[in-house]
Amino acid sequence: GENVEQHPSTLSVQEGDSAVIKCTYSDSASNYFPWYKQELGKGPQLIIDIRSNVGEKKDQRIAVTLNKTAKHFSLHITETQPEDSAVYFCAAIVNTDKLIFGTGTRLQVFP
Amino acid sequence: GAGVSQSPSNKVTEKGKDVELRCDPISGHTALYWYRQRLGQGLEFLIYFQGNSAPDKSGLPSDRFSAERTGESVSTLTIQRTQQEDSAVYLCASSLASGTGGTGELFFGEGSRLTVL
Repeated sequence: GENVEQHPSTLSVQEGDSAVIKCTYSDSASNYFPWYKQELGKGPQLIIDIRSNVGEKKDQRIAVTLNKTAKHFSLHITETQPEDSAVYFCAAIVNTDKLIFGTGTRLQVFP
Repeated sequence: GAGVSQSPSNKVTEKGKDVELRCDPISGHTALYWYRQRLGQGLEFLIYFQGNSAPDKSGLPSDRFSAERTGESVSTLTIQRTQQEDSAVYLCASSLASGTGGTGELFFGEGSRLTVL
């Protein structure tokens, strides 16, 4: 079936460094790609999303890039801070209506 | 305003018992999703409701799992004859619209943690 793959599963960075998380998807009809952040004991929250009509979107320290030809998209966090530590999930719409999530990346930012 | 509300927040049950988990979505949200999250794992799609359309049940892992939704309001996820492998956090999310329409943003509840002994 349609799926979303996410790498890496864990990522450790020093405070101030950048972090990059990558996802690939299989449904060529997918046109909406959100990223969610999940803190311990809470439900995921949307942090940024991108639609297929653009290749990049930025919001302060976070950015997302999309390569529709290669069917992959990435999350970039610059100047990381300890409060960025969380689990990050990418997602893609499949079959034009259902949101399927990647397996998650646990990001740890060390002071 | 109120977010997505789930109950119970924690449920411990014995193997073989039935459980019901409840989700109150944000008022006016037509789309509602259930996901399962095992410890340290990702979000596994279970079922999706959109308005009055037939639900997409393609993620339900077995016929012990079922879900209902009354109009565009409350949803219940029922697990019959629970097994230990059903232990997980069950997350509900709602959205103004599905797929390519509307914002697409899902608002999640804090989940119902199910432990099957």
